[in-house]
This record gives sequence, C-alpha cells and structure tokens, in this order.
Amino acid sequence: AQSVAQPEDQVNVAEGNPLTVKCTYSVSGNPYLFWYVQYPNRGLQFLLKYITGDNLVKGSYGFEAEFNKSQTSFHLKKPSALVSDSALYFCAVRDLSGGADGLTFGKGTHLIIQP
Amino acid sequence: GAGVSQSPSNKVTEKGKDVELRCDPISGHTALYWYRQSLGQGLEFLIYFQGNSAPDKSGLPSDRFSAERTGGSVSTLTIQRTQQEDSAVYLCASSLSSSGNTGELFFGEGSRLTVL
Repeated sequence: AQSVAQPEDQVNVAEGNPLTVKCTYSVSGNPYLFWYVQYPNRGLQFLLKYITGDNLVKGSYGFEAEFNKSQTSFHLKKPSALVSDSALYFCAVRDLSGGADGLTFGKGTHLIIQP
Repeated sequence: GAGVSQSPSNKVTEKGKDVELRCDPISGHTALYWYRQSLGQGLEFLIYFQGNSAPDKSGLPSDRFSAERTGGSVSTLTIQRTQQEDSAVYLCASSLSSSGNTGELFFGEGSRLTVL
C-alpha cells in the first residue's frame, strides 16, 4: 500500500524568506510524486511532479521540489516566499508497481506567509 | 467548459435524505475520480472510473455511497440516507487515460455538503 505523510499541519514563513513544506512517502515500487495547491474555496491545482530523471524538479509559481530516494522524501521549496503563496499544500504519490490508480494524498499543510 | 465542473457548489440537507452530486469532466478525459475532503483529514479516495472498465470502488466508505458514469462522461455521486459525518467537500477530478498517464489530475472546485 502507498502512503504519504506531511508532518506539519502548518508552516509559518516571513515574506521574502525561503520556505520548505515537508513530505515523506511509502510505496512498494517506484513512485510518481506530486504537489498540489488549494486556495480558499477552490479545487486543487497541480504544481509539479517527479516521474524520473533529475531529482530537483521545478514547477509553477517558482516552486521546486527535491526527490530523495534514500530518505523517501519529496519536500516542496521556494527560495523567496510571497504572501500570495499562502494556501493549503498537498503532497501525493502514485505507486508504479500497480497500486491504486488514483493518487494517495497527504493530509495537507497550511502555508502562511506573513508580510 | 474548459475545466472540471461540479454541481451543486453547496448543498445543505437534513439527516436521512438522499443527495446527488454531479461532475462534468474535461472533454476527452477518460479517467474520473471522486475524493472527499474533510477538515483535518486530507483527501480521501472514493471511486475511480476509467473508460468502460468496471470502476474501482475500493474507497467508498459504506454501501450508502454509490456512483455512476454515463456515456463515459458525466458522473453522479449518490449518498443515501445521509449522516452528519458525511458532511465534507466532495471533489471530482479527471485525467487523460490512466494507462501510461503520469497521474496529473485536474480538479473541480468541489461540492460542499452539509448534513444537519
């Protein structure tokens, strides 16, 4: 079975500072990994994904994430946070070894960027 | 429309009533998913449709929940004899065919269900 853990319910960062939102995963095979963002009263929007290749992947709005196989992590990062980045962030995994076709999501992390 | 469309956006019902939630996926997307988002619980997978294949119902929490997809397009999620614990936001997502798909899902804005 596949699973995702987001250990922080909330992350607070001052505007202009770097941010990190943590994610670890568990799968039996090789993972596809994703980050989605949800703004208030909206559906989820795709940010970025890791399928294969370079461990550092870049996505929308200046976000990036680093795949670390040994630590089974896929932390979301941004060098300089904006107030508009404040939202709910979900990490998700899909197990390529034949797990559920849908994505398994973490519980989400509220990111709050303070002016 | 260009995106996934869900209706109603908000539904308030009384305990014991049946409700139907509708999802209209992106044209050409053969895979359709229903998720439930409860406060503090993240996204819970409910059911998955892929083309004409039998749906994956493994996430449905009870037999009060059912879903169908007509003509490979619009889907309806039905909750019978609603309970207060059914209160949540129900999200629909679609994607291109699952086989070989890298898994990017396109979500609707959800249907917020409140059971009194």
